[in-house]
Amino acid sequence: DSGVTQTPKHLITATGQRVTLRCSPRSGDLSVYWYQQSLDQGLQFLIQYYNGEERAKGNILERFSAQQFPDLHSELNLSSLELGDSALYFCASSARDGILSNEQFFGPGTRLTVL
Amino acid sequence: SQQGEEDPQALSIQEGENATMNCSYKTSINNLQWYRQNSGRGLVHLILIRSNEREKHSGRLRVTLDTSKKSSSLLITASRAADTASYFCATASNFGNEKLTFGTGTRLTIIP
Repeated sequence: DSGVTQTPKHLITATGQRVTLRCSPRSGDLSVYWYQQSLDQGLQFLIQYYNGEERAKGNILERFSAQQFPDLHSELNLSSLELGDSALYFCASSARDGILSNEQFFGPGTRLTVL
Repeated sequence: SQQGEEDPQALSIQEGENATMNCSYKTSINNLQWYRQNSGRGLVHLILIRSNEREKHSGRLRVTLDTSKKSSSLLITASRAADTASYFCATASNFGNEKLTFGTGTRLTIIP
């Protein structure tokens, strides 16, 4: 158990809908990362937050947004969903107590299915 | 986009044998890491090697890094059935709060 939790585990929704994925980082970790894993694109970095502020952005679509709250949990919002958004979405955390590290601790993921 | 490729895409070996996976990347890096993923589950960090290191060991794992060739290899010795998983290399271009760029992964199957 990495200490990173993600909810829900599974999500099934229809095209055009909007969903919110939630992540709680390991206790004390200030950085949260979101990744998307799909069969055709592999593991792709989406976005990173550090202590509430956006720190780095990857291949994140404009339909997607994220935020990190004062208690350090993070949410990834996906809107106007398309079939191609079906994927595993992982959250990872690092930087316990502000100590920088490239080692990331991954949550179990949320499997999103868009029908 | 993927930073690099992993080779082979899939590998099946008998329990007790050694498994070697290779990773190539494209841009300069600060460090390279290996992660394991059991089927459809979260990734588990295995080992990190910095750009100024050439070899690193952790238990049954041995990682090498050749920055001149932009490549790394992961060796798992005396494989066990529990090692069956997908293995990914990931690169970080900067120390600290930067994204990881993952390779395409190698699917390792250990035959009991």
